[in-house]
Amino acid sequence: DAMVIQNPRYQVTQFGKPVTLSCSQTLNHNVMYWYQQKSSQAPKLLFHYYDKDFNNEADTPDNFQSRRPNTSFCFLDIRSPGLGDAAMYLCATSRDWGEAKNIQYFGAGTRLSVL
Amino acid sequence: AQSVTQPDIHITVSEGASLELRCNYSYGATPYLFWYVQSPGQGLQLLLKYFSGDTLVQGIKGFEAEFKRSQSSFNLRKPSVHWSDAAEYFCAVTTDSWGKLQFGAGTQVVVTP
Repeated sequence: DAMVIQNPRYQVTQFGKPVTLSCSQTLNHNVMYWYQQKSSQAPKLLFHYYDKDFNNEADTPDNFQSRRPNTSFCFLDIRSPGLGDAAMYLCATSRDWGEAKNIQYFGAGTRLSVL
Repeated sequence: AQSVTQPDIHITVSEGASLELRCNYSYGATPYLFWYVQSPGQGLQLLLKYFSGDTLVQGIKGFEAEFKRSQSSFNLRKPSVHWSDAAEYFCAVTTDSWGKLQFGAGTQVVVTP
């Protein structure tokens, strides 16, 4: 089945130690999103890619970066994780045309713990 | 300001009883409306969506939602809940050209035997 896959499902890192989360998709969607979801809160959009064009949300900290080497893969890099960055990180994809661009497909998420 | 409100943070319902989750939005134009469900430790799954047309939309898992323009609401309903419906439910809205979703705060549903 076509899907959005996030690895790993659980990631533990140390305070200040860089960490990378990955997302891959077999849907061939042109748009990919990264969300941060803290406990008992709604997902918060960090940034999205339209093809290779990177779009950062205004309030996303500089500590968060992203790479998209090709259509299928997208990475979230946290350069110096703090305790406040412990959260679930969700990747999503969508088409880039018509009404379908409004439908996002989510991965299962990566839960990040910072020690 | 644009907003999405889910008034109920937590709902407890008996298995087999009906369920209704409320969602209100504040947007200048009619937005695209969605309900997502999130089981513990999982990502979000799309239950249903409204773009235009028939204001009563059917989704997966036996859910339906009704768009009421006059009330700026998009409430989710299920006639008879199952224990597997215990989850967090998010209403979401977009009008953005790239489909940027704005989520409500979520409603946690607990199903009792």
